[in-house]
Amino acid sequence: KAGVTQTPRYLIKTRGQQVTLSCSPISGHRSVSWYQQTPGQGLQFLFEYFSETQRNKGNFPGRFSGRQFSNSRSEMNVSTLELGDSALYLCASSLRGLYEQYFGPGTRLTVT
Amino acid sequence: DQQVKQNSPSLSVQEGRISILNCDYTNSMFDYFLWYKKYPAEGPTFLISISSIKDKNEDGRFTVFLNKSAKHLSLHIVPSQPGDSAVYFCAARAIQGAQKLVFGQGTRLTINP
Repeated sequence: KAGVTQTPRYLIKTRGQQVTLSCSPISGHRSVSWYQQTPGQGLQFLFEYFSETQRNKGNFPGRFSGRQFSNSRSEMNVSTLELGDSALYLCASSLRGLYEQYFGPGTRLTVT
Repeated sequence: DQQVKQNSPSLSVQEGRISILNCDYTNSMFDYFLWYKKYPAEGPTFLISISSIKDKNEDGRFTVFLNKSAKHLSLHIVPSQPGDSAVYFCAARAIQGAQKLVFGQGTRLTINP
């Protein structure tokens, strides 16, 4: 069974721009969560989508948004990028939500 | 406000011995705890979990212990193998209205031959 895939793997953007990251979950998984990992803050939960609905949300500003499609694929969007948004963005999928999750390799976003 | 703390940034253990990774938490609303392992350039890999109604869960070489009164979680790896060298994260799930997962900062485990 194929794992969680994330595209692109690396991205460089300029402050003020917006970015869209993509995640394809494991086949059959309906829950997709997004995380931000930085050296200073560690791994932080952004939000979770289940059956195209945002079910849970972490403490991030509204510039961070996402959506899930009917095939469970998910996208995350960050608008008006700031230098502090430079991080590894991880996507995780699971069968039933915030239990055992399977992570993708991440997208490394650098904001200059 | 660090609700989940892994106070040891690194740990070095001899191959074949026991590795014990510790995690403390402050939020009594956490109901489910998980351990993940992370290799460089890869996403975290789920290892083992435990519900707050249990105090121990075992899976092969990995055992997680939960002490709710002390708000303390530990992962035991026996025997430790070179392939266990990685960063280990503990995570806790809170149900306060909506759910969220809170991760510790991670502990880098090095297994020495």
